Amino acid sequence: KNQVEQSPQSLIILEGKNCTLQCNYTVSPFSNLRWYKQDTGRGPVSLTIMTFSENTKSNGRYTATLDADTKQSSLHITASQLSDSASYICVVSDRGSTLGRLYFGRGTQLTVWP
Amino acid sequence: EADIYQTPRYLVIGTGKKITLECSQTMGHDKMYWYQQDPGMELHLIHYSYGVNSTEKGDLSSESTVSRIRTEHFPLTLESARPSHTSQYLCASNQGMGTGELFFGEGSRLTVL
Repeated sequence: KNQVEQSPQSLIILEGKNCTLQCNYTVSPFSNLRWYKQDTGRGPVSLTIMTFSENTKSNGRYTATLDADTKQSSLHITASQLSDSASYICVVSDRGSTLGRLYFGRGTQLTVWP
Repeated sequence: EADIYQTPRYLVIGTGKKITLECSQTMGHDKMYWYQQDPGMELHLIHYSYGVNSTEKGDLSSESTVSRIRTEHFPLTLESARPSHTSQYLCASNQGMGTGELFFGEGSRLTVL
């Protein structure tokens, strides 16, 4: 069964600290993996996309990693800011075609305290 | 910022009422989607459209219906709302492959009393 599991479910950190969010998936075949950020009361916004051949990709203070062998991805946030408080959703695609499907994780709720 | 808009943002209605959630995008995307999101749960696809006059049901069974008469417009209708329909409804669109980046609206939070 194709699944996407995220951990932790929620996380509280102090402003300026780093944190890492995890995403494990069983989706096969694998096309790509995206991390979305969803602010409270808003729609999700894409942060990064990882394809099979990519190990690491950065977007500002966000760095995503992918291990396609172990089917794991992580999102590392450096020097956290209050505006990083949001839900971070991992989404895995099973093939790059019109017939492809998206599998969503439940998200990690990150709270950054001053 | 994505050019996809949802109205209303918040709606509180009584049981049995008919409601329509509006979704419009100005990006010319051919693919549009409706997702349902409950707190702490993953997004569930309830309807999608790959173009004008094309609509399909998603993975999650829903009593709602959709229409796609114009490329930019993808409204969702509930003929008779019930408390079980209380949820957040997110509209999204993309171009090209169905697994490409999704652009989401701000969401419509529906509460049925």
